[in-house]
Amino acid sequence: KQEVTQIPAALSVPEGENLVLNCSFTDSAIYNLQWFRQDPGKGLTSLLLIQSSQREQTSGRLNASLDKSSGRSTLYIAASQPGDSATYLCAMRDANAGKSTFGDGTTLTVKP
Amino acid sequence: ETGVTQSPTHLIKTRGQQVTLRCSSQSGHNTVSWYQQALGQGPQFIFQYYREEENGRGNFPPRFSGLQFPNYSSELNVNALELDDSALYLCASSLYTGSGYGYTFGSGTRLTVV
Repeated sequence: KQEVTQIPAALSVPEGENLVLNCSFTDSAIYNLQWFRQDPGKGLTSLLLIQSSQREQTSGRLNASLDKSSGRSTLYIAASQPGDSATYLCAMRDANAGKSTFGDGTTLTVKP
Repeated sequence: ETGVTQSPTHLIKTRGQQVTLRCSSQSGHNTVSWYQQALGQGPQFIFQYYREEENGRGNFPPRFSGLQFPNYSSELNVNALELDDSALYLCASSLYTGSGYGYTFGSGTRLTVV
């Protein structure tokens, strides 16, 4: 059974700081990994998708990595802004493209 | 290209009642998945539909059921509502292919059971 853990549960940083969010998983037999952003009471917005055969993806100030051998993924946010304040969730999709298992998220607050 | 739309956005029901939530998939997507998200937690997988058939189910009782229609839209039905069913219900669509498409999520339906 896949288990996904995100540490820390909450993070507060000053504007402009570079930061790393961590995601660990127990089963490396995954189809893909997806990072999402969720604003309070809203749905999930996809940030980055990494296929099982890939090691990283980049979009603007965001970079996500995948290391299946260690069961870890990181989301790097450069030059953080107050608008980045949200909960960030990682999700591992099963190897048969079935269900995804989510972590409980890291709630990020970027202070002006 | 339209995204995933869910209706209604908010709903209040009484314990014991039944509820139907609706989801329209993103154009071109053939798979729909439903997730339940309790406050402060990550989404939990309920079930997935591909070509109108359920092809995966999470740890939810049979009173949670669904349908997928020929146009790939979907419904989630919950019978005999319990207080613990209060949550944000999220619908996600994707392409069930070897090309590794990820999910596109809707904005969710907030269900409150009183």
